[in-house]
Amino acid sequence: ILNVEQSPQSLHVQEGDSTNFTCSFPSSNFYALHWYRWETAKSPEALFVMTLNGDEKKKGRISATLNTKEGYSYLYIKGSQPEDSATYLCASNSGNTPLVFGKGTRLSVIA
Amino acid sequence: DAGITQSPRHKVTETGTPVTLRCHQTENHRYMYWYRQDPGHGLRLIHYSYGVKDTDKGEVSDGYSVSRSKTEDFLLTLESATSSQTSVYFCAISLAAQETQYFGPGTRLLVL
Repeated sequence: ILNVEQSPQSLHVQEGDSTNFTCSFPSSNFYALHWYRWETAKSPEALFVMTLNGDEKKKGRISATLNTKEGYSYLYIKGSQPEDSATYLCASNSGNTPLVFGKGTRLSVIA
Repeated sequence: DAGITQSPRHKVTETGTPVTLRCHQTENHRYMYWYRQDPGHGLRLIHYSYGVKDTDKGEVSDGYSVSRSKTEDFLLTLESATSSQTSVYFCAISLAAQETQYFGPGTRLLVL
């Protein structure tokens, strides 16, 4: 089973701070890297899917980068807002196998 | 939003009883998944299906079985529920294994 690691496990930032967190995955047989946002008491929602080395995706204040050769992806949040508070999950797979999820980074943005 | 429903949304049962959770989709997605969410573990895959009558085990399949007799429905059965199966169960769907997964609202199960 693929091993997908996320760090840090949790993060507390002040409103307006920019922040980033990391997802590590095996670089061999890489197929895709996904980021999801998961608010408390809700279901995970997809943010980005990236497949190519060097891919960068952006949605509002949130962006992500992908390095498939070294097996990592960064998620950046610019100017964090309280509504950004959530758990951010990354997931990866190889070939035609189901996604394997990391344990997530829990972000708390303090007003 | 993807049309995915789960039933029941909440259930309390006793140890040793069978329990079946249902996931229903209206999106005609080929892949369907069952996950459990537990503190410190994130989302762990129980079983998944890649077509009608085609299923495979995930990371934590012991004590669970699944069935998919039609595209729209994916059933998860706990043959004899145990307290360790108390969890929140999420169903998800996707067009293909590497594609975005869309999640249902979750079922909260308490096994006493």
